[in-house]
Amino acid sequence: AQKITQTQPGMFVQEKEAVTLDCTYDTSDQSYGLFWYKQPSSGEMIFLIYQGSYDEQNATEGRYSLNFQKARKSANLVISASQLGDSAMYFCAMRGLGSNYKLTFGKGTLLTVNP
Amino acid sequence: EAQVTQNPRYLITVTGKKLTVTCSQNMNHEYMSWYRQDPGLGLRQIYYSMNVEVTDKGDVPEGYKVSRKEKRNFPLILESPSPNQTSLYFCASSLHVGAEPQHFGDGTRLSIL
Repeated sequence: AQKITQTQPGMFVQEKEAVTLDCTYDTSDQSYGLFWYKQPSSGEMIFLIYQGSYDEQNATEGRYSLNFQKARKSANLVISASQLGDSAMYFCAMRGLGSNYKLTFGKGTLLTVNP
Repeated sequence: EAQVTQNPRYLITVTGKKLTVTCSQNMNHEYMSWYRQDPGLGLRQIYYSMNVEVTDKGDVPEGYKVSRKEKRNFPLILESPSPNQTSLYFCASSLHVGAEPQHFGDGTRLSIL
């Protein structure tokens, strides 16, 4: 079974500062992918970043980076230079890449960026 | 424009009245999936499909049916809806299983009275 845990229901950050959103996971799959999505108050789901379990380097996409620690089973999202538009719900998700192709989401973290 | 289209966007109905939420994608994607989103629970996968005529259960399949007769369409069927199926539903697709992110529809808000 797959499980994603996001322990921070809510986070606050000052504009222009960096923030880390935590995500830990559990899976029996040897090969898997980790995703982060953003859901603004308007409701749409926006893909941010992907990390494969065999990728040797941490993924980066603009101001987003993924701090992947395989031994600790963590895949934290780091947002640098926060902007007011970053205020949203953030979801960590995992999909097995072997025989199980379910996509499992965490419960989310609500990020508020203060001016 | 590449998109995933869900209909209806909003529906209020009554217990036991069969309903179908349609989902269509125009990107020739193989993988399609349905999720429900409830406050405090995140998104939970209902069913997914690897390709035409290939479907499998997600984490919360009870009370739902799906079919994948054509590559572009993946309808979600509630044969006998109940109030605990009141939720926000998302359809999503990706080209393959793997690193490709899911493209999400705009969501369907269902209220079952």
